[in-house]
Amino acid sequence: DIQMTQSPSTLSASVGDRVTITCRASQSINTWLAWYQQKPGKAPKFLIYRASNLGSGVPSRFSGSGSGTEFTLTISSLQPDDFATYYCQQYQSFALTFGGGTKVEIK
Amino acid sequence: EVQLLESGGGLVQPGGSLRLSCVCSGFTFGTFAMSWVRQAPGKGLEWVSGFNNRGDSTHYADSVKGRFTISRDNSKNTLYLQMNSLRAEDTAIYYCANQGGGSYYFDKWGQGTLVTVSS
Repeated sequence: DIQMTQSPSTLSASVGDRVTITCRASQSINTWLAWYQQKPGKAPKFLIYRASNLGSGVPSRFSGSGSGTEFTLTISSLQPDDFATYYCQQYQSFALTFGGGTKVEIK
Repeated sequence: EVQLLESGGGLVQPGGSLRLSCVCSGFTFGTFAMSWVRQAPGKGLEWVSGFNNRGDSTHYADSVKGRFTISRDNSKNTLYLQMNSLRAEDTAIYYCANQGGGSYYFDKWGQGTLVTVSS
């Protein structure tokens, strides 16, 4: 199975900060990568597909980049609604796998 | 509006069985691949099982292979997960998820149903 590793596991930031989360795959996944946001007690919310394509209705302050084995999710100006846990997911092949998550908390 | 509504969770003893259901609306269910994803308490997301995009094959995580069976009834817009030989480590919230864009990411999720395996 392809292993996905996110860093950092926790990130402390303030409103207005630029935030970057990294996701690394154990082997090349081209750009078959998605990102999700999850708030406590809620289902995950889809953000980005194919590494850099925003889902419908996702604010433009979110962006994704990368290919091969290294990917980033960037929030250009952190908003109060963005404090949450973020997960990457590869869909190069079954078994589909997620990263361990990055919690973005208030500094 | 797209809706996915899971049910069937609950408390079950180790070795027991449960069947989860996910009733879908707001989209043409039969044309979309679907998966189950779970989340143990305080842990991350784990894909459990899903259909391919043609709907003609199923896939399972190694952790559930041989114990869980995914199925669907397109006439009822419903996805199922039959879970047998349950273990304590299967305790989790189980989400059904719609695989979007003819691909294998999940663009719509249900609210989840909690499965607790304990004696």
